[in-house]
Amino acid sequence: DGGITQSPKYLFRKEGQNVTLSCEQNLNHDAMYWYRQDPGQGLRLIYYSQIVNDFQKGDIAEGYSVSREKKESFPLTVTSAQKNPTAFYLCASSIPRPGYNEQFFGPGTRLTVL
Amino acid sequence: KNQVEQSPQSLIILEGKNCTLQCNYTVSPFSNLRWYKQDTGRGPVSLTIMTFSENTKSNGRYTATLDADTKQSSLHITASQLSDSASYICVVSAISGTYKYIFGTGTRLKVLA
Repeated sequence: DGGITQSPKYLFRKEGQNVTLSCEQNLNHDAMYWYRQDPGQGLRLIYYSQIVNDFQKGDIAEGYSVSREKKESFPLTVTSAQKNPTAFYLCASSIPRPGYNEQFFGPGTRLTVL
Repeated sequence: KNQVEQSPQSLIILEGKNCTLQCNYTVSPFSNLRWYKQDTGRGPVSLTIMTFSENTKSNGRYTATLDADTKQSSLHITASQLSDSASYICVVSAISGTYKYIFGTGTRLKVLA
């Protein structure tokens, strides 16, 4: 059963804590992405990785960190430096097919800061 | 600047009616345009994907059109159902070395019984 899984579905964090969101895919995709979704806004790119052991900052990387030690996994850490982390976080993966590159999304993690 | 604009922001229709959602973009160099459906609290699911040379693509009751000259796309939903209530997101892909995805803010559709 192929797809992208994210865990946990809901996450609560106290101010000052770091938390890590999990993203796993068994689609054999090289590229993986993390997005943040806030009400009334389009998805905003946090980090992306085109290949194992390499990743690039997106548009809103401040206060976040990632790692890509395995092709299947791309965890996102929300650090205490992220001042407004309450949001819906989406992980995606893709494989480049000229003209038809398509992203597949996970079910999301809703992070709430208490 | 690469941008994707969607209209309307929200829409309410009665079950069984048709509706059309709009997407205008200024993205270059254009690779493809996709429409996603996102249920509340879930990840987006792809409905259609169109390249430069395609001007229409259907997926059941969903039909997307693309006019690459005017840089406009529409998503037409026929005979709406309650389960169509969701946000619909237009995403345009650009390629310049690597792929870049530009997301619209979505149209929130509510179908009433």
